[in-house]
Amino acid sequence: DSGVTQTPKHLITATGQRVTLRCSPRSGDLSVYWYQQSLDQGLQFLIQYYNGEERAKGNILERFSAQQFPDLHSELNLSSLELGDSALYFCASSGRDPFSEQYFGPGTRLTVT
Amino acid sequence: AQSVAQPEDQVNVAEGNPLTVKCTYSVSGNPYLFWYVQYPNRGLQFLLKYITGDNLVKGSYGFEAEFNKSQTSFHLKKPSALVSDSALYFCAVRDRNNNDMRFGAGTRLTVKP
Repeated sequence: DSGVTQTPKHLITATGQRVTLRCSPRSGDLSVYWYQQSLDQGLQFLIQYYNGEERAKGNILERFSAQQFPDLHSELNLSSLELGDSALYFCASSGRDPFSEQYFGPGTRLTVT
Repeated sequence: AQSVAQPEDQVNVAEGNPLTVKCTYSVSGNPYLFWYVQYPNRGLQFLLKYITGDNLVKGSYGFEAEFNKSQTSFHLKKPSALVSDSALYFCAVRDRNNNDMRFGAGTRLTVKP
């Protein structure tokens, strides 16, 4: 158990809809990262937050947004969903140092029908 | 921007034989390098990392990796493979001047009894 929790585990929704994925980092970790894993794209870095502030941005679509709250949990919002958004979404957390390893949650499997 | 290449999609080895999973990287400065493993329907788990110092890094479950600056490689190795090592392995790099982590496409390791 990595100490990172994600909810829900599975999500099935229709095209055009909006969903919110939730992540709670390990106790003490200030950094939260979001990744998308799909069969054809591999593991894609989406965005990082550090102590409530956006720190780095990767291949995140404009339809997607995220935030980190004062209690350090984070939410990833996906809107106007398309079939191609079906994927595993992982959250990870790490300590403050750039050489700290990341600890991954179990993921949320999103299926868009 | 930094990047990682894992030249082999699939590696097959017999149980008891040594295994190597290859990784090469590209980064503007000195890298932080990581290996992660992903078992089916699970999040990624940290195996080991290189920050500085000794080029041979030892990690979890008997794995080790050798940092080679001249060849910009960070191959993962294990002297004697187990069937339970069968999983998807990801190499990742982080530039010391950058915040985001770049993952390779992953290598599927299959260890046959």
